[in-house]
Amino acid sequence: GQQVMQIPQYQHVQEGEDFTTYCNSSTTLSNIQWYKQRPGGHPVFLIQLVKSGEVKKQKRLTFQFGEAKKNSSLHITATQTTDVGTYFCAGFVGGYQKVTFGTGTKLQVIP
Amino acid sequence: KAGVTQTPRYLIKTRGQQVTLSCSPISGHRSVSWYQQTPGQGLQFLFEYFSETQRNKGNFPGRFSGRQFSNSRSEMNVSTLELGDSALYLCASSSQGNSPLHFGNGTRLTVT
Repeated sequence: GQQVMQIPQYQHVQEGEDFTTYCNSSTTLSNIQWYKQRPGGHPVFLIQLVKSGEVKKQKRLTFQFGEAKKNSSLHITATQTTDVGTYFCAGFVGGYQKVTFGTGTKLQVIP
Repeated sequence: KAGVTQTPRYLIKTRGQQVTLSCSPISGHRSVSWYQQTPGQGLQFLFEYFSETQRNKGNFPGRFSGRQFSNSRSEMNVSTLELGDSALYLCASSSQGNSPLHFGNGTRLTVT
């Protein structure tokens, strides 16, 4: 079945450093979404990418969708302590909500 | 708008018992999906319902079942509980198709 690998599993950064997490799908995706889950919380939607090669920015966050629609990345510039949490990608295949979540990247920011 | 509501928040059951979890979606959302979250396996898709019909199902045994009512509220049932079923069960609603998922706070199930 479809698999979505996400790396790294953990990342510790000093506040102010940049951070990147990568997702790779075993199959071509129709779209990909990114979520953030704070400790003790539930996943919260960040962004959706649909087009091949799409790049979207949200303040310090930059999201990319690969040309082949099989990989994606999330880059955070100048991390802050509020960025702490686990970041998940979610790959969708087909028109309905058949989704495979990436394994997640847990980000720790050291003040 | 009220968010996704899941009840109960916590549940402790004994192996062999069954459990029913409830999810009320955001008003107007017709799609409800369920996920199991564990430290070892991450977030795994259980099933998705739209207008009372199951459209997609993940790779879970038949002990895991669900349904959706005409008001879009959904329930998930797990029969013959096993220790490995201990997890956070998350419900998410969305308006349609591949639109963003809005998660509830989850039900923390502990099987002893």
